[in-house]
Amino acid sequence: DQQVKQNSPSLSVQEGRISILNCDYTNSMFDYFLWYKKYPAEGPTFLISISSIKDKNEDGRFTVFLNKSAKHLSLHIVPSQPGDSAVYFCAASDMDSNYQLIWGAGTKLIIKP
Amino acid sequence: DAGITQSPRHKVTETGTPVTLRCHQTENHRYMYWYRQDPGHGLRLIHYSYGVKDTDKGEVSDGYSVSRSKTEDFLLTLESATSSQTSVYFCAISEPGLSTDTQYFGPGTRLTVL
Repeated sequence: DQQVKQNSPSLSVQEGRISILNCDYTNSMFDYFLWYKKYPAEGPTFLISISSIKDKNEDGRFTVFLNKSAKHLSLHIVPSQPGDSAVYFCAASDMDSNYQLIWGAGTKLIIKP
Repeated sequence: DAGITQSPRHKVTETGTPVTLRCHQTENHRYMYWYRQDPGHGLRLIHYSYGVKDTDKGEVSDGYSVSRSKTEDFLLTLESATSSQTSVYFCAISEPGLSTDTQYFGPGTRLTVL
């Protein structure tokens, strides 16, 4: 049973518009959430994170929103650029997990020129 | 970029042969992880280490063993490779307290078992 779900395998967005990637989780004990970006033939790279005591975290063009009651988080990219085309993974952990991360299956974002 | 290297980067082997993948870090991070990535599954944890000679199983540990004799090296061994172990393997490191649960990844090893 997947504890972290990314229900959209792919997403296509026009350059300059907003990209919204979604992630749902089932474990209410998760207290830290991360987004990673992955290009082909490379390892995932850390993008942005959020603690469960916050509902928003912003870093440049990237903003992560957390809705604890809905067990839902989203990553907003504004404006979307061609270099944002990649696979995006969300991951979650809880304080008792010995720093293990539970990963979603990923969403492939394609930015159209 | 975190100083993490993986070797080999690509390997083709036959069913039943032993395979060892190496992860090397220059960051002196305490935690190291081995993941496999398969389509539709995201990243799945195989084993992890929280210190020299301290290791534990992850979600998909069957058929794999690990060793960590030095802080900088974490080895993943497939004792007798099977076709179901064809995958891309990623090593990651983290230092709890430095950056909470953020993990930093190596470039990956593509393993094909024929």
